Amino acid sequence: NAGVTQTPKFRVLKTGQSMTLLCAQDMNHEYMYWYRQDPGMGLRLIHYSVGEGTTAKGEVPDGYNVSRLKKQNFLLGLESAAPSQTSVYFCASSYTLAGGQETQYFGPGTRLLVL
Amino acid sequence: AQSVAQPEDQVNVAEGNPLTVKCTYSVSGNPYLFWYVQYPNRGLQFLLKYITGDNLVKGSYGFEAEFNKSQTSFHLKKPSALVSDSALYFCAVRDPYRDDKIIFGKGTRLHILP
Repeated sequence: NAGVTQTPKFRVLKTGQSMTLLCAQDMNHEYMYWYRQDPGMGLRLIHYSVGEGTTAKGEVPDGYNVSRLKKQNFLLGLESAAPSQTSVYFCASSYTLAGGQETQYFGPGTRLLVL
Repeated sequence: AQSVAQPEDQVNVAEGNPLTVKCTYSVSGNPYLFWYVQYPNRGLQFLLKYITGDNLVKGSYGFEAEFNKSQTSFHLKKPSALVSDSALYFCAVRDPYRDDKIIFGKGTRLHILP
């Protein structure tokens, strides 16, 4: 049982390049989330998904797109990377957001540097 | 809208002393509250949560937190700090009746001094 995994662990991009971050979970969780973590800002929610085929915007969605084609995968895309997107990205998942099942399980993070 | 505040960026505690990491929240209804811990170069790990019931919640690694509705607080505590408790701690809140996402605080860095 791997839990939540993220690919890649580290990436350097040039401004304007595109990339996709992959999150996978093997716990059959309905909910999945993408956060970014920046010094002094804590965790900020980018996008989230309440089930296969559905996505929703979080606090800071601009510049990012997501897709949840399979229940176990949640992809985060950067179409045209900007230096402001330099950050550590965390994926998380949870069973639901009801009945005390809200505990989130986090991946190890992806460190992204945009030059 | 729901929000959560961690008023201290950093807390320093001597090993063996009790520790408190503060968290206050703002939601319109009865909140769901969480504490997570992040060790260097790792993802967040769940410590404990308050959903309903007893105001004192016990969690992993000897931590506990007390839900105080009148003060809208959910402070994290431990009777005797260990050097290995040094990490970044996040409080999180969700209003189960108003929203479908969890909001995290900015984090408090806990330093336990040997």
